[in-house]
Amino acid sequence: AQSVTQLDSQVPVFEEAPVELRCNYSSSVSVYLFWYVQYPNQGLQLLLKYLSGSTLVESINGFEAEFNKSQTSFHLRKPSVHISDTAEYFCAVSDRGATNKLIFGTGTLLAVQP
Amino acid sequence: ETGVTQTPRHLVMGMTNKKSLKCEQHLGHNAMYWYKQSAKKPLELMFVYSLEERVENNSVPSRFSPECPNSSHLFLHLHTLQPEDSALYLCASSPMGVLSGYTFGSGTRLTVV
Repeated sequence: AQSVTQLDSQVPVFEEAPVELRCNYSSSVSVYLFWYVQYPNQGLQLLLKYLSGSTLVESINGFEAEFNKSQTSFHLRKPSVHISDTAEYFCAVSDRGATNKLIFGTGTLLAVQP
Repeated sequence: ETGVTQTPRHLVMGMTNKKSLKCEQHLGHNAMYWYKQSAKKPLELMFVYSLEERVENNSVPSRFSPECPNSSHLFLHLHTLQPEDSALYLCASSPMGVLSGYTFGSGTRLTVV
C-alpha cells in the first residue's frame, strides 16, 4: 500500500519570495506522483505529474517538482510566488499497476501575503 | 467548468433524511470515483467504478450507497447520516489507467444537522 506525507499544513510566504512544499511518499513498488491544487470553493486540478523519464517536471504556471527516489520525495517549488497562487496543494501517489487509484496527502495551504 | 459536474453544490440534511448527490461527465472517461474531503484529513477514497462496475469500496458505512447507471453518471445515495459525515464530497473521473490524472468536479458541501 502507498501513503503520502505532507508535513506542513500551512506555509505562509510573501509575494515574489520562493517557496517549497514538501511531499514524501511510502511505497513498496514503483509509483507515479502528482501534485494537485485546490482553489477556494473548487475541486482539485492537476498541476503536474511524474510518470517516468526526467525527474524534474514543470507546470505551465511556473511550479516545478523533482522526483527523488532515494529520499522518496516529490517536493514542489516555485522561485517567485504570486497572490493568485494562494490555494491548497495536494500531493498524490499511485502504484504502476492497474488499480486506477490515487492516494492523497493531507494538503498544504500556501498563503501568499502582499 | 472542468467537464465533471456535481449537483447540488450545497446540501443541508437532517439525520433522518434521504438525499442523493449527482455527478456527470462527458469526457469519455471510463472510471469514476467518490472522495470525501474533511478538514485536516487526507482525501478519503470512498468508491471506485471502472466500466460501470464497482471495483473498490473502502469500508464505507452502508448509509452511503453508490450507483453508476452508465459511464457518464455517478450517484451517491445518502440516508440516516451522522453529523460527522458533514464534509465536501468530490467526484472525479479518469480514462482507464491513472497516467493522465483525475478530473475533479467542484464538489458538494454536505452539512448534516
